[in-house]
Amino acid sequence: DQQVKQNSPSLSVQEGRISILNCDYTNSMFDYFLWYKKYPAEGPTFLISISSIKDKNEDGRFTVFLNKSAKHLSLHIVPSQPGDSAVYFCAARGYQLTFGKGTKLSVIP
Amino acid sequence: DVKVTQSSRYLVKRTGEKVFLECVQDMDHENMFWYRQDPGLGLRLIYFSYDVKMKEKGDIPEGYSVSREKKERFSLILESASTNQTSMYLCATGRGNTGELFFGEGSRLTVL
Repeated sequence: DQQVKQNSPSLSVQEGRISILNCDYTNSMFDYFLWYKKYPAEGPTFLISISSIKDKNEDGRFTVFLNKSAKHLSLHIVPSQPGDSAVYFCAARGYQLTFGKGTKLSVIP
Repeated sequence: DVKVTQSSRYLVKRTGEKVFLECVQDMDHENMFWYRQDPGLGLRLIYFSYDVKMKEKGDIPEGYSVSREKKERFSLILESASTNQTSMYLCATGRGNTGELFFGEGSRLTVL
């Protein structure tokens, strides 16, 4: 069973607009959520995280929102830039990290 | 900066061969992990280790084993490689229980 779901395999956004990547989870015991970014032929890199006791965390152009009642989190990128084109993985912390399948973001110049 | 080095970026092996993938980290992190990444399946945890000589199975340990004889080194072993083990293998390290992992660049293994 998939405890962390990223239902959109891909997303295309115009440069300068907002990118919104979504993630749903099923396990209410997850206490910490993270987003990773991955370029082709490289390992994932940590982007931003949020504790389950918060509902928003911001870092520059990146904001993560957490809705615990809906078991949903989202990553907002504003404004989107071509260099943001990558695969984004949502991850949730329980005994270990559980990753979603990823969403490929393409930012079109 | 944390550096996680994987021994080989690209490998091609034959079915039935024994394969070693090595990972070395230089930041004294307790935790080390092996994941594989496949299109449409995301990152799946194979094995992890919280201490020297300690290992725990992840979600997909079948066909794999690991070795951690020193804190900085974590090896993934495919005793008899099969074509369904063709994948990108990613090593990661982390400290404590923050959840923040540092990944190596990956080893792309092709089994013919």
